[in-house]
Amino acid sequence: DAGVIQSPRHEVTEMGQEVTLRCKPISGHNSLFWYRQTMMRGLELLIYFNNNVPIDDSGMPEDRFSAKMPNASFSTLKIQPSEPRDSAVYFCASGRLAGEGEQYFGPGTRLTVT
Amino acid sequence: QQQVKQSPQSLIVQKGGISIINCAYENTAFDYFPWYQQFPGKGPALLIAIRPDVSEKKEGRFTISFNKSAKQFSLHIMDSQPGDSATYFCAASGGATNKLIFGTGTLLAVQP
Repeated sequence: DAGVIQSPRHEVTEMGQEVTLRCKPISGHNSLFWYRQTMMRGLELLIYFNNNVPIDDSGMPEDRFSAKMPNASFSTLKIQPSEPRDSAVYFCASGRLAGEGEQYFGPGTRLTVT
Repeated sequence: QQQVKQSPQSLIVQKGGISIINCAYENTAFDYFPWYQQFPGKGPALLIAIRPDVSEKKEGRFTISFNKSAKQFSLHIMDSQPGDSATYFCAASGGATNKLIFGTGTLLAVQP
């Protein structure tokens, strides 16, 4: 079975540019989570969706960040405009609402903003 | 009250030894406690998890010990191997939300 798929795996962009990160959850999973990982702040939950509906976006750092889940098999995290402090690894994870609570992580997107 | 406190920050163990990582929580609504393992350049991977109705769960060399009254849980890695060298995260969830609250991570190095 395919796991969580994220693209791109690496992104290098200049400050002020728009960045879009993409995620395809595991088929049959109805919860999707976006995380950011940095050395300084560890693993932070940015936003999560249940059944394609955003449930908690309290971790989204600023209005520059937005996330969408137009259908059960696709989600995007957009940063506009990007800033150097956004440099981090962004993970997408998925799980089943009716499951034990397990979340399965994708390989991550390493974002570098210069 | 939403925090999960993890210690130690880093740990060095000799091959064949026992690695122990501890976590503590405050929110009594938490009812699911997983441990994740992360290798460099990879996403965290679910290792083992426990619910509060049992005090211990073992899967191979990995054991979770759970103390509900103390609101603490720990990961024990028996016969630690160099391949176990990774960062380990504890987490917790429960109540009205299915989001996980992660600890700050423990960098484990198993020396050959």
